[in-house]
Amino acid sequence: DAKTTQPNSMESNEEEPVHLPCNHSTISGTDYIHWYRQLPSQGPEYVIHGLTSNVNNRMASLAIAEDRKSSTLILHRATLRDAAVYYCILRADSGNTPLVFGKGTRLSVIA
Amino acid sequence: DAGVIQSPRHEVTEMGQEVTLRCKPISGHNSLFWYRQTMMRGLELLIYFNNNVPIDDSGMPEDRFSAKMPNASFSTLKIQPSEPRDSAVYFCASKLNQGGHNQPQHFGDGTRLSIL
Repeated sequence: DAKTTQPNSMESNEEEPVHLPCNHSTISGTDYIHWYRQLPSQGPEYVIHGLTSNVNNRMASLAIAEDRKSSTLILHRATLRDAAVYYCILRADSGNTPLVFGKGTRLSVIA
Repeated sequence: DAGVIQSPRHEVTEMGQEVTLRCKPISGHNSLFWYRQTMMRGLELLIYFNNNVPIDDSGMPEDRFSAKMPNASFSTLKIQPSEPRDSAVYFCASKLNQGGHNQPQHFGDGTRLSIL
């Protein structure tokens, strides 16, 4: 599996935008970029995914570099409820294989 | 819409005892995954099933661990005999496999297992 690299932790003020980076320099042409997050005492939950184009949904935006070697998850206005560990995961085109989790980025949100 | 349901939420037992963790996947999902999470090792895949058939159990730590999926709506993860190092949070997840990338994995809230 292609590897991803994320900062161990980040901090944000409430109501501010947050940009969570992910490096994946060995990504293959058919790997999709998935983001999940894990709130305290809960299982991981899906946030967003993309292949080449930037993606938006009700939770977040995903900006993918033109060479696809990095991506950024954008939370437009952080709330206290967004404090979680965010995982950037590469997944093969078929999507039939399980998610493989790294250590993720622990996001703290300050009121 | 019921999500993935795991039981029990918490289990405390003494070493040597048999432990059975249960999972009910989301109705209609045909892939099921068991993960274990510890501070030291993070989230690790133990085993996964497609259409009730085990596909990859290479993550199962040792023979003390076994998993079954007798039907599409139920799976168990059993540890016998249990040891203190098995203490962790165990997550079950399910997914609809339609041969495409668009389907996310849905996780339960986990079982927090403590072996004394």
